[in-house]
Amino acid sequence: SAVISQKPSRDICQRGTSLTIQCQVDSQVTMMFWYRQQPGQSLTLIATANQGSEATYESGFVIDKFPISRPNLTFSTLTVSNMSPEDSSIYLCSLARSYNEQFFGPGTRLTVL
Amino acid sequence: GQQLNQSPQSMFIQEGEDVSMNCTSSSIFNTWLWYKQDPGEGPVLLIALYKAGELTSNGRLTAQFGITRKDSFLNISASIPSDVGIYFCAGIAGGTSYGKLTFGQGTILTVHP
Repeated sequence: SAVISQKPSRDICQRGTSLTIQCQVDSQVTMMFWYRQQPGQSLTLIATANQGSEATYESGFVIDKFPISRPNLTFSTLTVSNMSPEDSSIYLCSLARSYNEQFFGPGTRLTVL
Repeated sequence: GQQLNQSPQSMFIQEGEDVSMNCTSSSIFNTWLWYKQDPGEGPVLLIALYKAGELTSNGRLTAQFGITRKDSFLNISASIPSDVGIYFCAGIAGGTSYGKLTFGQGTILTVHP
């Protein structure tokens, strides 16, 4: 398994503002991922964040809206920019260990008013 | 894109009963993972499957990787109240999809004491 922490655990934000979510893991990993879980829904991959390279975004997600940083092998941030109520979701980071096993952080619960 | 169809959407069972849920896809996956998500938490990995036909157990949980590589099931035997939660299947396709999880819609499990 893995120890993954996220900050903040939850936040309530005003529309038009931005929020940066931090993800810290307990050991060095190459591959980290960011997911979104809209209310009552399943998880959808936003982007893959590998250290030393630009994040790779999935269809429907763009860097201007969800800029990602990956400064080292134990840390990543996701920013939700120019927020609207439709961005209210749980945002989760994950890491991949060997054999494609993927472990998730506790999530950041975002409410946009 | 790839989609996973997970069923049933929800289950209401009595403590002690066995539970079965499954996921199917129109495309092949190289890895199947099963997660459980409790309220306010991130998904927790229960079982990982890597080979077609593989049958793996984790305590009262048993999961199988379908021989066509397009389906998987999860069984829970002798359910207990703490089994309550949302269960997700997730698959990883091969090639450039390395590490990218596609999630099923989830099965909400309620266990009555």
